Order: sequence, then structure tokens, then C-alpha cells
Amino acid sequence: GAGVSQSPSNKVTEKGKDVELRCDPISGHTALYWYRQSLGQGLEFLIYFQGNSAPDKSGLPSDRFSAERTGGSVSTLTIQRTQQEDSAVYLCASSSPGTNYGYTFGSGTRLTVV
Amino acid sequence: AQSVTQLDSQVPVFEEAPVELRCNYSSSVSVYLFWYVQYPNQGLQLLLKYLSGSTLVKGINGFEAEFNKSQTSFHLRKPSVHISDTAEYFCAVMGVQGAQKLVFGQGTRLTINP
Repeated sequence: GAGVSQSPSNKVTEKGKDVELRCDPISGHTALYWYRQSLGQGLEFLIYFQGNSAPDKSGLPSDRFSAERTGGSVSTLTIQRTQQEDSAVYLCASSSPGTNYGYTFGSGTRLTVV
Repeated sequence: AQSVTQLDSQVPVFEEAPVELRCNYSSSVSVYLFWYVQYPNQGLQLLLKYLSGSTLVKGINGFEAEFNKSQTSFHLRKPSVHISDTAEYFCAVMGVQGAQKLVFGQGTRLTINP
């Protein structure tokens, strides 16, 4: 596609429920990243996929968070047993060697846990 | 590991005035440097980047930044701002070696007053 697509754009969920956030990167981009943007916290790195290599999960805040990337394309970020502190905007980005390290970001999913 | 400090969380300026948004970084290896802009309710957009070569980098919308290795800084400047420049600005760093992972600063909210 022309850009990075994220869905849903907004999600309200009850505390304790599981949620899935989807990211569709730019076609052909080999790298995919998830970041979390909380109010006043800047952007926090969560996880990074590069081609067929094992993902860099060093930013996942707890074992309630997981992500997968199927077929080197679409990625799903799953948050289990959501907590109120999980409320944030979740941003996905993709890049490839041809972009000279420039990430293209999606518009994000705003998650609100009530 | 890398870290980024954006020295000002908020910067108010009048329209047509010059502006400088400050960014300092810390890294044990050589780095690439980036500035991203986030307009209200949108994803992040790349403004400019420094990879190598000239330390003065020009970006979109009339912005420029200067890489100063001795001061580990990458300040963003614009000689004359417009109302439309109102946004959040993020400085980011990536190690030249290792994972191609951006580390972001906390962001600077630029508000342009008429």
C-alpha cells in the first residue's frame, strides 16, 4: 500500500480484556517496529521485526504483551489482561534499506482501558 | 545504548519569529540523527536526518538542523515560523552499528501564536 495502515484507529476496552492491534506495513518494507506513545512519555520502543530474523522484543513492558508478524508483512500486537496503564497510542512503523533508515509511521491506534 | 534529551518540553513563539528546538544525545558509538514532526491526531513524519557528510542538514517545511559531534547536539531551527508549524517535534537517534532501532526523545510541543 501507499502508507502504513493501522487498525482500529480507536479502541476502548474493559480492564482485564485482551486486545489485538493490527499493522499493515508498506509493501516490500522488511523492517517493522511497534512503539507506544503515552501522554508526556515520548515514544517508547516495544518490538522490532527485521526480515526473517528473530524479533527484538527488548522493549515489551511485560509478558502480557506479544507481537507476531506473519509472512513478513502484517503484524499484530496483542495485549492480554489489559490494565489502565496500557492506555496509550500504539504506533507502527516500517522501513527498508532503500529508505536510508527513514521510518514511515502509521497514524496509530488509540487504546483506552476503562 | 543510546539516549536522547530534548531540553524543552514546550516552546511558545510568535508567528514569523525564529525558533530553535534543542536536542542532545548520548551514545558510545557513532550515530544517525533524525527529527520527526507529529501534527495533531496524526502519525509521525520525517522532517530531516543526518547520516554523514555535511553537518548542516536541510529538511522539509524550511527546517534545518546542525550536527555538532563535540557537543553531542542536533538542534532544529527555522528562521521564520508559521501557524501551521504548531506540532510536537521529536528528536531521535540510531546507532550506526547494531540494531536499526530509533530511540526517541520526550518531544517538544511547539506552539505558534499569532
